[in-house]
Amino acid sequence: SYELTQPSSVSVSPGQTARITCSGDVLAKKYARWFQQKPGQAPVLVIYKDSERPSGIPERFSGSSSGTTVTLTISGAQVEDEADYYCYSAADNNRVFGGGTKLTVL
Amino acid sequence: QVQLVESGGGVVQPGRSLRLSCAASGFTFSSYGMHWVRQAPGKGLEWVAVISYDGSNKYYADSVKGRFTISRDNSKNTLYLQMNSLRAEDTAVYYCAKDDLLVWGQGTLVTVSS
Repeated sequence: SYELTQPSSVSVSPGQTARITCSGDVLAKKYARWFQQKPGQAPVLVIYKDSERPSGIPERFSGSSSGTTVTLTISGAQVEDEADYYCYSAADNNRVFGGGTKLTVL
Repeated sequence: QVQLVESGGGVVQPGRSLRLSCAASGFTFSSYGMHWVRQAPGKGLEWVAVISYDGSNKYYADSVKGRFTISRDNSKNTLYLQMNSLRAEDTAVYYCAKDDLLVWGQGTLVTVSS
């Protein structure tokens, strides 16, 4: 099995850029996905294949990858972006989520 | 529209069994792999199991291996999770999701308690 490590929390003011990192050895050879989850709701995919954005996801959400770290960037974060964010990757027979990052936009 | 609806959650005693179902609609269910993902109260997401489109391949998280079984009935467009020997730490909301993780159900709560 393998692990993905995220910071437990990130805080920004509205309009600022939020960056959430996810680290793990598997990320050097496998794509990552990012999910947004608001209280009481199912997760929503916001980034796949490290940097691709599904239809309907605002352009302010972007992803990047460098070595064993992937980064979710929210440019001009809005109050409605306040949520928990999880990275995810799959390798061989394993799939794993990062521990999650609580983004506060205040 | 594409939809997944879980059912079968509830309160169960430790050591007992429970079967969850996930009814799919709006897409060709038999063409896609499917996942179960869970989330304990106040905790993060935990991947549980995945099954291939035809049911021939199944993989599990170490935490449930040997106790949980994922299966599917493509004639009924339904995914299942048979959970045996349940423990308190299995208490969680259980979500089913399409293989690309773009579509999720609303979740069903399983509480393991005496």
